[in-house]
Amino acid sequence: QQQVKQSPQSLIVQKGGISIINCAYENTAFDYFPWYQQFPGKGPALLIAIRPDVSEKKEGRFTISFNKSAKQFSLHIMDSQPGDSATYFCAASSGRGSTLGRLYFGRGTQLTVWP
Amino acid sequence: GAVVSQHPSWVICKSGTSVKIECRSLDFQATTMFWYRQFPKKSLMLMATSNEGSKATYEQGVEKDKFLINHASLTLSTLTVTSAHPEDSSFYICSAVQGSGNTIYFGEGSWLTVV
Repeated sequence: QQQVKQSPQSLIVQKGGISIINCAYENTAFDYFPWYQQFPGKGPALLIAIRPDVSEKKEGRFTISFNKSAKQFSLHIMDSQPGDSATYFCAASSGRGSTLGRLYFGRGTQLTVWP
Repeated sequence: GAVVSQHPSWVICKSGTSVKIECRSLDFQATTMFWYRQFPKKSLMLMATSNEGSKATYEQGVEKDKFLINHASLTLSTLTVTSAHPEDSSFYICSAVQGSGNTIYFGEGSWLTVV
């Protein structure tokens, strides 16, 4: 059972445009929602993360929007650049007990930004 | 910032031999580390949870006798693929939990090719 559902699977955006990737979860015990960026042949790099006590977090061109009641969160990349072309994974984790640090990943979104 | 280092970055071994991959947290102590496997264009698949000073917890379907995990210190976890076969060829990635589960960092990954 997929604990975190991610869409779209692939996304093509023109340079300067906004890239939006959506994720949904079921487990209300999740309390940490990171986004990772992965380039081919490299490990995932933490991009930005949010906790359920806030509805939005912005770091530079990257923004996470979080809707606790709908159990959804999304990544917005403003002014998308060709260098943003990568695979993006959303994830969720519960900081409690034996599941501390265990990440449940979405299937990933392949973002291509055309110049 | 926190860094997780994996070694080697890539390794080629013959069928039937064993290979060890190291995962180190460079500037923080990690009581818990995780090992993932990733196939091309796929999401990360959790293999096992590595706990310092105790036995690893394996996910369903992962052979614990084939994928030996040792978490001997608060900064080092190792994954040994025993009696490797070509189907074990994959990208192996570790992650480490910093602090009380606030942030999870990934290593750069290790490419294993079994010939």
